[in-house]
Amino acid sequence: DGGITQSPKYLFRKEGQNVTLSCEQNLNHDAMYWYRQDPGQGLRLIYYSQIVNDFQKGDIAEGYSVSREKKESFPLTVTSAQKNPTAFYLCASSQRTEAFFGQGTRLTVV
Amino acid sequence: ELKVEQNPLFLSMQEGKNYTIYCNYSTTSDRLYWYRQDPGKSLESLFVLLSNGAVKQEGRLMASLDTKARLSTLHITAAVHDLSATYFCAVGLGGSNYKLTFGKGTLLTVNP
Repeated sequence: DGGITQSPKYLFRKEGQNVTLSCEQNLNHDAMYWYRQDPGQGLRLIYYSQIVNDFQKGDIAEGYSVSREKKESFPLTVTSAQKNPTAFYLCASSQRTEAFFGQGTRLTVV
Repeated sequence: ELKVEQNPLFLSMQEGKNYTIYCNYSTTSDRLYWYRQDPGKSLESLFVLLSNGAVKQEGRLMASLDTKARLSTLHITAAVHDLSATYFCAVGLGGSNYKLTFGKGTLLTVNP
């Protein structure tokens, strides 16, 4: 089955910890994205990547880092520098005529 | 910088009524997407519109694109409660730039 897999579904982070969210796609899409969604809000772009080994900052990249070593994988690290990381994180991938989302990771700081 | 504006942001309607959600964008684009999001869930792809005058329909939802006016509409016909959700439009810059920019979303509530 083709699609985008995000893991874990729920993640709890202690203050000062770095955590990594996984995103894998088997759609052979070139582009991948990370978005953040706060309750009752729209989607804000954190990072996106159009090809392997290249990525660009989105609108709210501070406190986050990514890598794109393989076409199918685009992990997001939420660092301790991100002061308010509690949110719903969505990964997406696209080619020109389609853009699909994973099921999301809900991150909570405890 | 591409800006995407949706309106209304909140829409409460009765079952059986028709209504339209608007999506305006600020710069030239060659593709526009509509998504549905249920509470606590991810985004479900509804439509992809790629050319001026494109119209797509699925059930009670119909989407259209006017690239000259930089406007897309999502029309709801004879609304039913199951259509209650948040609807987002997203616009791509076009060409080799894959970046997608989203509108703030329209929270649709269909009342019996």
